[in-house]
Amino acid sequence: QQPVQSPQAVILREGEDAVINCSSSKALYSVHWYRQKHGEAPVFLMILLKGGEQKGHEKISASFNEKKQQSSLYLTASQLSYSGTYFCGTEIGGTYKYIFGTGTRLKVLA
Amino acid sequence: DAEITQSPRHKITETGRQVTLACHQTWNHNNMFWYRQDLGHGLRLIHYSYGVQDTNKGEVSDGYSVSRSNTEDLPLTLESAASSQTSVYFCASSESKGNGELFFGEGSRLTVL
Repeated sequence: QQPVQSPQAVILREGEDAVINCSSSKALYSVHWYRQKHGEAPVFLMILLKGGEQKGHEKISASFNEKKQQSSLYLTASQLSYSGTYFCGTEIGGTYKYIFGTGTRLKVLA
Repeated sequence: DAEITQSPRHKITETGRQVTLACHQTWNHNNMFWYRQDLGHGLRLIHYSYGVQDTNKGEVSDGYSVSRSNTEDLPLTLESAASSQTSVYFCASSESKGNGELFFGEGSRLTVL
């Protein structure tokens, strides 16, 4: 069963912040986050392992709450280059198999 | 540089025809995956393989098959194409260790008329 992402879409002005949530009905081993530009392949941003850790990538960071089976992606001081569709990929049981959410379309305006 | 390539990038076919999408990676990764991407559904897993001669069904495997005869290739076959299989197909690969980062191909856009 696919994890649920929210919101489905968000529009920001440059410099604004955004949060994208990913929620699963199953216990998670790890969570991946990817960004996909229009017409391109998804690109890996980061991995979150169980343990409630938080990681960062430039001004993009994420958290993983194992007990709640949720992960959140935080985009701080957004830039035009952040526009795209963001996907969370959830892994169950260390299988290296990832089930992706339905995606969140993010558009950053100048 | 190591890479993952898909072919064809675009294909139009008719209902009932057999279609094969190729995926070739030079990363020497054991894990390979096929996803389809449709608006409103995100990326859905079709089939995956953890190594040569290993194949497994994903969430939406009906009407699709794969075979893994070597490490580099995982072709996806649609035995009898249906209009519902019109989609963009992505192949991906990853190592069997480490963080499991998926490396995606450029995608293959398939239209079934």
